[in-house]
Amino acid sequence: DGGITQSPKYLFRKEGQNVTLSCEQNLNHDAMYWYRQDPGQGLRLIYYSQIVNDFQKGDIAEGYSVSREKKESFPLTVTSAQKNPTAFYLCASTALLSGNQPQHFGDGTRLSIL
Amino acid sequence: QKEVEQDPGPLSVPEGAIVSLNCTYSNSAFQYFMWYRQYSRKGPELLMYTYSSGNKEDGRFTAQVDKSSKYISLFIRDSQPSDSATYLCAMSASGGSNYKLTFGKGTLLTVNP
Repeated sequence: DGGITQSPKYLFRKEGQNVTLSCEQNLNHDAMYWYRQDPGQGLRLIYYSQIVNDFQKGDIAEGYSVSREKKESFPLTVTSAQKNPTAFYLCASTALLSGNQPQHFGDGTRLSIL
Repeated sequence: QKEVEQDPGPLSVPEGAIVSLNCTYSNSAFQYFMWYRQYSRKGPELLMYTYSSGNKEDGRFTAQVDKSSKYISLFIRDSQPSDSATYLCAMSASGGSNYKLTFGKGTLLTVNP
């Protein structure tokens, strides 16, 4: 089945710890995205990548880092610099064809502070 | 003024009702409009995808775009308890950063049996 797989489903972070959230897609999509969702805030863009080995900051990139070493993978690291990391993190991807294409989402990772 | 405004609800309706969900926006460059459905603890699922003004129908769902008023709507006919979810509108501009979406905050819908 084609889709976007995020893991783990739940993650707990200790004070001062970096944690990495996994996102893998087998849709052969070019672009991948990370969003943060907080209650009452909607989805906010953290980082996005349209091609391997290249990525851009979104609206709330501070305290986060990403890499794009393979087309199908776009891991997100939540660093200790992110002081309020508790949120639902969503990964999305889309094909970069002519015209605009909608984004498709994984089922998210819920990150909490211990 | 926020780029995309969406009434957060909550909205509660009886089974079989017609539901109307709406978003307004301020950026006239937006040309692509989407509606996503999100069940609790799940990722958003694409429901409808439209370009420019007009209506698009898919089963019980109708998406409507009025670019002159900067207003989009999603209508759900014969609503079912399984339609209970948060509905997110999203939109993007053409060219340049056209692959970046701007989301509304979502409307929580409950359909009561």
